[in-house]
Parts: sequence; structure tokens; C-alpha cells
Amino acid sequence: TQLLEQSPQFLSIQEGENLTVYCNSSSVFSSLQWYRQEPGEGPVLLVTVVTGGEVKKLKRLTFQFGDARKDSSLHITAAQPGDTGLYLCAGEWASGTYKYIFGTGTRLKVLA
Amino acid sequence: DTGVSQNPRHKITKRGQNVTFRCDPISEHNRLYWYRQTLGQGPEFLTYFQNEAQLEKSRLLSDRFSAERPKGSFSTLEIQRTEQGDSAMYLCASSGWGFSPLHFGNGTRLTVT
Repeated sequence: TQLLEQSPQFLSIQEGENLTVYCNSSSVFSSLQWYRQEPGEGPVLLVTVVTGGEVKKLKRLTFQFGDARKDSSLHITAAQPGDTGLYLCAGEWASGTYKYIFGTGTRLKVLA
Repeated sequence: DTGVSQNPRHKITKRGQNVTFRCDPISEHNRLYWYRQTLGQGPEFLTYFQNEAQLEKSRLLSDRFSAERPKGSFSTLEIQRTEQGDSAMYLCASSGWGFSPLHFGNGTRLTVT
């Protein structure tokens, strides 16, 4: 059972467009991480957010943790073909457990 | 930092056979995780260790699955009497103390025929 739902499931856009990926849950998470995974490889961490309402920026990527710590979003500005991949959110199940539950994933394809 | 190493990268087995996968974490990491991932989906939590102690095993796992981390270093994941539904990518990750990111290996892809 996936407790973290991501939307959209698939996204195909042209280079230069903006996009937002959502990660939603009915549960509160003490921290949330975003990963990107490329075919044949393991996921690689992009960012960790801990505080409700927190916003972090990583170049063209902006991450936000919801005020109630039940949801998060990833916004990409001016997408590039190198952004193509599977984007995953992962929430820490309970504070101090360091048990991470992953979302359902969003597969992004950026066309040149 | 040589990264997380998983062996083998691919395993093809016949239904009913037993298989064992190995994960070598980053040497100073105390936590080790196993996840299962099917194509296009997010990784599904299987179990995790802090040092040699197994902290939790997913209730989704049947008794055919067992994992060990005998000396708090490498870990093995064994699947007994494999079924076609076990076909998936098995991912191992390790992390250090506190809020430390998960460092994943490149996985073992299991195909049960």
C-alpha cells in the first residue's frame, strides 16, 4: 500500500516548459526527501525538507514542504532533456525511525 | 567512498528455486535498507537494519523472504521458493547517522521464469 501518492504519474513536455510534480499523503511525515532515478540505476537524493512550509531551491528546481507536513511539491523551471527521469518523494514514517516510504513516482520526459 | 555495491546485477531463476542477493554498504554507514521496485513504480519498503539489528520487516513480505546483516556490515536478502510475482528490481541503500540521505546501489534485477 502506497501512502504517498504522486501526480501526475507521467509527464511529457517540451524543452523550456515549466512543470510541477505533487506528492500527497493523509499522514504527517517528520521529513521528506526527493530523489531522481535514471534507468538501470538507484535513486539519487535531490533534497531533504524538514520544516512545514519550508522551501528549498536547487538551481532550476524548487521544492516545498506543506505547512501540515502531509504534502510536497517539486517545480522545475525551463525544463531540459537532462531533467528526464523518474522523480520520487520519500517520507520518514515516524520521527527518529529513519524508515522511509517512497511515493508512486512521476516519470518525466523532456523533449528537445 | 566507493558507493553501495549490489551483487549480482541480474539473476534469472526458475520458479521454486532459492536466490540470495548481497549488498555491501558504504563502510561507515550504520543503517541499511532493502526495497523492491517494479517497472515505473516507486520502491516498496522491505526491511531495514541499524548496525546488525533488524528494526522492521514489512508485513507485505511473506515468510519466504529473509534478510540478515550478521556483522553490521554487508547484508544478504534471501528469497525461498521463488514465484513469478517476485520478479522485480531489489534495491539496497545505506545511510549514516541522523538525517543522512539514502545512498542506493544499482540494484539486482530478478527474473523468475
